[in-house]
Amino acid sequence: DAGVIQSPRHEVTEMGQEVTLRCKPISGHNSLFWYRQTMMRGLELLIYFNNNVPIDDSGMPEDRFSAKMPNASFSTLKIQPSEPRDSAVYFCASSRTGTPYNEQFFGPGTRLTVL
Amino acid sequence: TQLLEQSPQFLSIQEGENLTVYCNSSSVFSSLQWYRQEPGEGPVLLVTVVTGGEVKKLKRLTFQFGDARKDSSLHITAAQPGDTGLYLCAGGSQGNLIFGKGTKLSVKP
Repeated sequence: DAGVIQSPRHEVTEMGQEVTLRCKPISGHNSLFWYRQTMMRGLELLIYFNNNVPIDDSGMPEDRFSAKMPNASFSTLKIQPSEPRDSAVYFCASSRTGTPYNEQFFGPGTRLTVL
Repeated sequence: TQLLEQSPQFLSIQEGENLTVYCNSSSVFSSLQWYRQEPGEGPVLLVTVVTGGEVKKLKRLTFQFGDARKDSSLHITAAQPGDTGLYLCAGGSQGNLIFGKGTKLSVKP
């Protein structure tokens, strides 16, 4: 089975540009998570969805960040406008509600560099 | 706010040595997971522990959950270069996971 798929794997953009990151969760998983990872702060949860509905977006740093999940097989994380401090690796993960221990499966990540 | 503190932050050892890394919190978790992350990849689940005092073994890796379910340890016996990576612990909380910042392990041949 395919794992979590993320695109692009690398993104380099200039400050002020819009950035869209994409994620396809594992088929049959109904929870989806967006994380950001930096050396300084480690792995931070930005937002998570259950059955396509945002449950907790308290980790979204500011209004420049938005996330959508229009259907069970696709999600986007958008940054508009992007800033250099947004440079990080962004991970998408999915899990199946009802599994006892919230085990999450991660994608390979998108490395974002904002110049 | 639930936090997980991992120690040490960095560890560099020679092949064949044993090591232990720790994951501590002041909060109780319903479960605790250990992930390993290799450069350029996402974290991969190694094990889940759920019962206080539980010990699980995965080849040369031994995981223990504290009796009070607030802490955990990972012991690696006879480390190999293939064990190199970032080891993350994560506590189960209300449908999602709280991650520690990880221990970056380097095993030199």
